Amino acid sequence: QKEVEQDPGPLSVPEGAIVSLNCTYSNSAFQYFMWYRQYSRKGPELLMYTYSSGNKEDGRFTAQVDKSSKYISLFIRDSQPSDSATYLCAMSARNFNKFYFGSGTKLNVKP
Amino acid sequence: GAVVSQHPSWVICKSGTSVKIECRSLDFQATTMFWYRQFPKQSLMLMATSNEGSKATYEQGVEKDKFLINHASLTLSTLTVTSAHPEDSSFYICSARGEVGEKLFFGSGTQLSVL
Repeated sequence: QKEVEQDPGPLSVPEGAIVSLNCTYSNSAFQYFMWYRQYSRKGPELLMYTYSSGNKEDGRFTAQVDKSSKYISLFIRDSQPSDSATYLCAMSARNFNKFYFGSGTKLNVKP
Repeated sequence: GAVVSQHPSWVICKSGTSVKIECRSLDFQATTMFWYRQFPKQSLMLMATSNEGSKATYEQGVEKDKFLINHASLTLSTLTVTSAHPEDSSFYICSARGEVGEKLFFGSGTQLSVL
């Protein structure tokens, strides 16, 4: 079983839709959770960072962590064509010696 | 957010030559840097972890004599692909975490094409 599972998509939505991206994980030691956006042939860009359980909002983006279910989500409101990219979830335990990544979900927002 | 600069962004070289890729943390001290390889439409594959001033730790299956990693300072790590061959062609990405460590920041990546 992989440490982190993420549906690869692709996910295609119309402009303005609410997008929900999700990851599940198996290691209960993970405490730090991140979402990255990666455009083709570019390095991943950190979008959201969350420590432990709870919600965090930043503009159109909301990150949720449910440690009891080992489930994290990223919501994008009012999606734009410029949001079309691959979204990677990542997580780490307290020692930060290693970061575990999902396989990435490719999102396409159609104008 | 913190800035990680990676150069070059792309390089084409002949088979048998060596290529060096630089990764710099511009506004923070990177105690640990990670090097990844990414194939088209696939996720990141961790190659090695380097801590400043010590030898890199390579993942299983990664040839340490082929992929030389140096992390001589808190702001610079280099990856040298020695005697490159066409099968080494790939997208290489570095990342760095600071002293606090909970966030990981990435460079812009290097596309290596070996002819």
